[in-house]
Amino acid sequence: DADVTQTPRNRITKTGKRIMLECSQTKGHDRMYWYRQDPGLGLRLIYYSFDVKDINKGEISDGYSVSRQAQAKFSLSLESAIPNQTALYFCATQRGSYNEQFFGPGTRLTVL
Amino acid sequence: KNEVEQSPQNLTAQEGEFITINCSYSVGISALHWLQQHPGGGIVSLFMLSSGKKKHGRLIATINIQEKHSSLHITASHPRDSAVYICAVRPWGEGGGATNKLIFGTGTLLAVQP
Repeated sequence: DADVTQTPRNRITKTGKRIMLECSQTKGHDRMYWYRQDPGLGLRLIYYSFDVKDINKGEISDGYSVSRQAQAKFSLSLESAIPNQTALYFCATQRGSYNEQFFGPGTRLTVL
Repeated sequence: KNEVEQSPQNLTAQEGEFITINCSYSVGISALHWLQQHPGGGIVSLFMLSSGKKKHGRLIATINIQEKHSSLHITASHPRDSAVYICAVRPWGEGGGATNKLIFGTGTLLAVQP
């Protein structure tokens, strides 16, 4: 079984809809991250969390919110989706500081 | 200018060839990561290094901190090595400690033909 899972894997939605992407991990890692990937751009950090209920903004947090109610779960919400939020979204986990990150399989989101 | 630059952006090789992918960065860093992203999206960490050289199977990663440059080498390349290879750096923060954020390059798309 995968250590880091994301649901859904693919989602097509319409402008203005609220969308939630879920990330779950069985690695027992304290730190979790949400990134988005766009063609021609590197991965960009949306939000990150060092522990339950700890939330920190990344470089592109506008239009997104997150929740970390349990160590194993980190959810990303788009309150009112817009077309330029069409992208591939990755969740990642990390044990402590300065270690490698482990990525989920990604969620492909299309906003029409 | 991006803080992390990779070259080449695209690379096509024949099976068995020795491959080099380069990464240059413009900030002081505590560590550099090499990641592999296969078609279909999944990302896997290959190496994390802060000095010298690391080897895993046919993959070798080197870093020169003074020159702000790292290379990823693949020996005896195989079609299954076809993927996007991503360089990411962990910069030093303003207080002198390492930050908790990674800065990613845009990736090198490698295609190894049989």
